[in-house]
Amino acid sequence: TQLLEQSPQFLSIQEGENLTVYCNSSSVFSSLQWYRQEPGEGPVLLVTVVTGGEVKKLKRLTFQFGDARKDSSLHITAAQPGDTGLYLCAQRGYQKVTFGTGTKLQVIP
Amino acid sequence: DAGVIQSPRHEVTEMGQEVTLRCKPISGHNSLFWYRQTMMRGLELLIYFNNNVPIDDSGMPEDRFSAKMPNASFSTLKIQPSEPRDSAVYFCASSLSGTGNGEQYFGPGTRLTVT
Repeated sequence: TQLLEQSPQFLSIQEGENLTVYCNSSSVFSSLQWYRQEPGEGPVLLVTVVTGGEVKKLKRLTFQFGDARKDSSLHITAAQPGDTGLYLCAQRGYQKVTFGTGTKLQVIP
Repeated sequence: DAGVIQSPRHEVTEMGQEVTLRCKPISGHNSLFWYRQTMMRGLELLIYFNNNVPIDDSGMPEDRFSAKMPNASFSTLKIQPSEPRDSAVYFCASSLSGTGNGEQYFGPGTRLTVT
């Protein structure tokens, strides 16, 4: 099982600021998923990326998969308090998913 | 449609007691996963089932933990005897294996406190 490291661990920003969080592995991902977990709830899937260099957008969120498929980033434009939560990257295997260490984001109004 | 249902939402028990957590997956899903989440260790997979059969239980911490899935609509995770270090949020998730994106749907979790 490969280790998925996320950075930063914690991030506190003001509403309206931009931010980027990262997910890295020493091994190649077959595919990668990003989840968001709000306080008191379970994680919810945001996106799956499969192809090296792939970029996907979800409103103000932009997800990029590294060319070598060993890293990924999530960029949020003009963060809002509703973006507050724990962001988890995850490697999708055939049947199970291995989660990263997570980035806890707080957006202050 | 109802999502994944877990009960209880909160459980406080004393060390040494038996704890049973329950999960009802989304109807039609054939894979079920039990996770544990703590600040120190993050989200860890404990065990998962496919078509009610345990496939990988390598994440189960020790013999005090056991999980069953007697039918497609119900699973339990039991801790006996419980210890303070078992305090965590336990999530159940289900998915339809073989689908393109392999999305897992999580329940709201059970917050377990062992004193």
